Amino acid sequence: GAVVSQHPSRVICKSGTSVKIECRSLDFQATTMFWYRQFPKQSLMLMATSNEGSKATYEQGVEKDKFLINHASLTLSTLTVTSAHPEDSSFYICSASGLPITPVLTDTQYFGPGTRLTVL
Amino acid sequence: SQQGEEDPQALSIQEGENATMNCSYKTSINNLQWYRQNSGRGLVHLILIRSNEREKHSGRLRVTLDTSKKSSSLLITASRAADTASYFCATEETGGSYIPTFGRGTSLIVHP
Repeated sequence: GAVVSQHPSRVICKSGTSVKIECRSLDFQATTMFWYRQFPKQSLMLMATSNEGSKATYEQGVEKDKFLINHASLTLSTLTVTSAHPEDSSFYICSASGLPITPVLTDTQYFGPGTRLTVL
Repeated sequence: SQQGEEDPQALSIQEGENATMNCSYKTSINNLQWYRQNSGRGLVHLILIRSNEREKHSGRLRVTLDTSKKSSSLLITASRAADTASYFCATEETGGSYIPTFGRGTSLIVHP
């Protein structure tokens, strides 16, 4: 199946710093990328959806100025957690889809391995 | 957007036994997908079943979908210790944002 990578896999940072997480589709063009956050023993919560070349669409309650998403190419999307605080510590997962989302057919999302962010 | 709800939240079985997990949802859907997540890892897509399908198989996995009851089940036959993971269902709501939303998952432990 398609491969999606994330980098870094783990990051520990001090409160107030910014952290950038990369999500790459390695063998297909990702028209749409999704960013999720997962707290321990909880479900994945969608943070935002990004289409290549356009601004990301954020879910309600997600601060777009705090979680900056850039989907500059068909193989790369980045999530930057700005001025991170301990409450931002979480597991961040990206996923990618090779087709635009349509009303009838939905391409399978391929998930990255996740990034564990710990803010001290 | 709606959320699938898995049941049970936790399941502990012996290797070789079958494991059944259920997912219920509230509104009409285009499709339902099952994913597996090993501890601290990303999700692995298992099966997508569309709203006009009733059953799908993939290896030791069998997924059923009952749209009249708004429920789906994932059956893992002859379980192995390596099947230990959390399993999530994700539903894509008809007329919605077409973005799957996830339940809280079922934590499966298979004892060797």
